[in-house]
Amino acid sequence: NAGVTQTPKFQVLKTGQSMTLQCAQDMNHEYMSWYRQDPGMGLRLIHYSVGAGITDQGEVPNGYNVSRSTTEDFPLRLLSAAPSQTSVYFCASSYSLGNTIYFGEGSWLTVV
Amino acid sequence: AQKVTQAQTEISVVEKEDVTLDCVYETRDTTYYLFWYKQPPSGELVFLIRRNSFDEQNEISGRYSWNFQKSTSSFNFTITASQVVDSAVYFCALSEAWEETSGSRLTFGEGTQLTVNP
Repeated sequence: NAGVTQTPKFQVLKTGQSMTLQCAQDMNHEYMSWYRQDPGMGLRLIHYSVGAGITDQGEVPNGYNVSRSTTEDFPLRLLSAAPSQTSVYFCASSYSLGNTIYFGEGSWLTVV
Repeated sequence: AQKVTQAQTEISVVEKEDVTLDCVYETRDTTYYLFWYKQPPSGELVFLIRRNSFDEQNEISGRYSWNFQKSTSSFNFTITASQVVDSAVYFCALSEAWEETSGSRLTFGEGTQLTVNP
């Protein structure tokens, strides 16, 4: 069982570069989301989606873009990387509202 | 707005001690869900438990137990006879259910670093 798969696991970017963090789930989950984890701040919601074609902003959406063209995939795009976006990124999915939320293994991103 | 507070930033215990991790939450919703996750040093987030607001029964799973009290807005987690492998950061999280389009959005506490020493 693959569950929630994130790639890449580690990435170093230069300021101003763009990149896409990939997230895929094979559990036919409708709900998917992206969080970032920073020291002492827990995890904060960046963007989320309640189904293909539907996305919305979370708590810290600035500098990030998402789309949901299929149920399985929910990529997170950094448009112009900044050092403040150095963080660990987690993708999550769940079948429906209130169900167990499963997380990917995380993507460690450093912007220099 | 929803909020989760884990007042204990770090806890250090000796193996075989019992330890309780506190979680206090705030929400205006009557229907909500509470979660606990474990983050070991390897970094992944491991699901431990989900509880909905209508189920106040305490739960025990092996050495783990959870005490949910709506009267005090708390959802505390106890590890009995702790082991070195329990060393991790533990997160409490809350998901409101005020509308279907809110999805399963989690608000996390800041986490409690538990260190179990041999």
